[in-house]
This record gives sequence, C-alpha cells and structure tokens, in this order.
Amino acid sequence: KAGVTQTPRYLIKTRGQQVTLSCSPISGHRSVSWYQQTPGQGLQFLFEYFSETQRNKGNFPGRFSGRQFSNSRSEMNVSTLELGDSALYLCASSRGQDETQYFGPGTRLLVL
Amino acid sequence: AQKVTQAQTEISVVEKEDVTLDCVYETRDTTYYLFWYKQPPSGELVFLIRRNSFDEQNEISGRYSWNFQKSTSSFNFTITASQVVDSAVYFCALSGGYGGATNKLIFGTGTLLAVQP
Repeated sequence: KAGVTQTPRYLIKTRGQQVTLSCSPISGHRSVSWYQQTPGQGLQFLFEYFSETQRNKGNFPGRFSGRQFSNSRSEMNVSTLELGDSALYLCASSRGQDETQYFGPGTRLLVL
Repeated sequence: AQKVTQAQTEISVVEKEDVTLDCVYETRDTTYYLFWYKQPPSGELVFLIRRNSFDEQNEISGRYSWNFQKSTSSFNFTITASQVVDSAVYFCALSGGYGGATNKLIFGTGTLLAVQP
C-alpha cells in the first residue's frame, strides 16, 4: 500500500505570496491532519479534516486554511506569506477516530 | 490542558549501548493514546508504537521496548544495543480526550539521539 504523499517537496516563496500544499492520504484513510514543524515552536497541529469537514483547528491565524476533497486528498493554503512561515509542513492520515496517524515526507517551505 | 514533556534534549551514546528516552505526559482525560515517532534526517515522521490508556502492558519489539506507567504518567522508550541507524529525533505524542472528535496530536519537543560508531 502506498504511503502518504505530499507535493511539492520543496518550495521557495517570497513574502506576501500565497502557497498551496497538497497531501494524498493512504488509500482508505478518511482523516487528514496537517502539522507545522519549526526549530523554535516544534511540531504544532494546524487542522484536521475528516470526510471533507474540518474537525479541529490549531492556534494559527486565518491565513492558514485547508480543505479536503471527496477522495480524501487534502490541500492547505497559506496566504500573505511571512518569513516566520518557513517550516516543514507535515501531513498525516488515519482511518478514522482515535486511529494511528501515518505521516508523509513533508513539504519544506522557505519564505524569503 | 494536555502536555508532553521530553526532558532530554540530546543523548549521545556509543554503538551497542542501551539507551532510554523519557516521556512524561499530562492529561485530565481517562481515555487517551500515547505514541512514539522517529524522525530521521530525511524529515519524515515514522510511527513506532501506539498505546491506549487502558493498556499498561509493556511491549518488546526486537531491540525496542516501551514502559507505560499511568501512576507516574510516563511512557518511556528503550533501545537495546543501539546502532548508528538509530540516530534520529524521537518524539513522544499524546492524543485523545476529545470524545473521539479529533485525532489531534500533542508532541513533546523531541530527543535527538546520536549513536556514535
């Protein structure tokens, strides 16, 4: 079974731009979660989608948004990028509630 | 509020030594889940183990073993006879307590394990 895939793997943007990251979960998994990892703040939960509905959202500004499609694939969008948005963005999928989350390789975003 | 503490920031051992990574958690919920993930330099988080709050049975899997103690809110991880390939950052994580309404993971700050040849 294929694992979680994320595209692109690397991205360089400039301040003020917007970016869209994509995540394809493991086949059969309906829950997709997004996490941000930075050296200063560590791993922080962004949001989770289950059956196209956002179930929970972390403490991030409204510039961070996401969505999930009927095939469980998910995208997250960051608008008006700031230097502090430079991070590794990790996507994880699981079958459902209280199930183990499996992570993708991440997207490394650098904001200049 | 839920919290995970990994007091050890970095650990350096010589190959074949045993090493224990500590994890202490805080939660008011009676149903929760604990995890260990490994993050090699490539960046991908690799799932190692999952325990629910009702299962305090300790587990051994090859060179890995886990010690879950609810009385001390600890979920420690031991690598026996460490190898250079074990070098990575190890994260302890906690989820649950939301009535099944989310899979949100709370991570500790991670422990960087360096195994020297």
